[in-house]
Formats: sequence, C-alpha cells, structure tokens
Amino acid sequence: DTAVSQTPKYLVTQMGNDKSIKCEQNLGHDTMYWYKQDSKKFLKIMFSYNNKELIINETVPNRFSPKSPDKAHLNLHINSLELGDSAVYFCASSQNQGLGETQYFGPGTRLLVL
Amino acid sequence: RKEVEQDPGPFNVPEGATVAFNCTYSNSASQSFFWYRQDCRKEPKLLMSVYSSGNEDGRFTAQLNRASQYISLLIRDSKLSDSATYLCVPQSNTGKLIFGQGTTLQVKP
Repeated sequence: DTAVSQTPKYLVTQMGNDKSIKCEQNLGHDTMYWYKQDSKKFLKIMFSYNNKELIINETVPNRFSPKSPDKAHLNLHINSLELGDSAVYFCASSQNQGLGETQYFGPGTRLLVL
Repeated sequence: RKEVEQDPGPFNVPEGATVAFNCTYSNSASQSFFWYRQDCRKEPKLLMSVYSSGNEDGRFTAQLNRASQYISLLIRDSKLSDSATYLCVPQSNTGKLIFGQGTTLQVKP
C-alpha cells in the first residue's frame, strides 16, 4: 500500500508555464510538507500544513502556492515556471507537528523546466 | 556556516568493514535528531532517531554530543545494500527538519 503518493512522477515543461503537483497520504496523519531537493542534493523545506492550516512558509517565491483541500492532500501549484525551479519535489507527512515525529516521504516529482 | 555539515564522501569500503560518519549542526536549540537514508533517485527514509544517551539498532549505532553539537553514525559489518547517502537531520525547536547534504557510502564486494 502506498503511504505517501505524488503525481506526476516526472514533469517536463517550458519556462513560463503553470503546473501543479499533487500529494496524498493514507496514513491518517495531521501534518504534511513540501520539500525541494536541488541539483546539489540539499533537501529544504518549503511549506508545512497541519490539519489544512499553513504552519511553515519558508522564503519561497510567491509563484509557489500550496493548497490543502483536506488533511490527506497537499498540492503545490507553481506559476510562471523558471529554469531554477528544476529540482525534485518531495511531499512528506507526519502524525503531527510535534518534535521527534517521523516524517514519511513520497517518491518525489522530478521537474525539469526547459 | 551551513546549518548542518557533513563530509559528502564518497566513502568506498569493502563488505564487512566498519564505517563511521560524522555531522555537526549549528543550531544549539535543536531538539531532536535523526539519520535518514536516501538511495539514488529515491525518497529519504528514516534510518534511526538519535537519543542523548546514544542508541543502537542492529548494525547501526548513533551518538549525540549536544555540547559539541556533533552527531555520529557507525555501521558495522557493512553490506552491499548499505550503499546509499546518509543524511544527518537535526530538528529545530520549531519542528523543522534541517537536512545535511549527506554522506555517500559505496560498499564494494
């Protein structure tokens, strides 16, 4: 059974386009996250939602807009894609936002902007 | 200074070897600590949490030194399947996971 799933797995698009990545977790967790892993392999948090409420919003261009229709889903919409947006985007979830909680990651979405 | 510093490696070791990875973190307010494992082109997965008194899980031993802001991971009797990137991950007091760049391990037959 897939715990944290993301679609699409691969996304190749032109600069300037708008695209969305979807994430779903079937673990019954309250907290979900979006991370970006760039070409240098650093994994950095972008956003975190707890029970559909935004709790972490790192310094991310406002072209990136997360949306959580319910606590099992956290989608990421990106407007006006730029070359520098090319990266692997990972969704994750945890039981809650407490310290020490294990985060479970989705398989990643590989975005290439041409 | 990076928030989490790790030697990127790669560490090339023969099967059966013992290998140790180190990590330093800059935020003294970090509350929880983890080692995650990431295989090539895959998602990170929790390997183990790191407790103040040190902890062991099979062939893996993790140590934490809060005073020095230093975390270590020891792998005994390396297997081919241990080949991966090992990510040192402190958690801030606001709950954010801060990932290091990772240390790459390649275990050779």
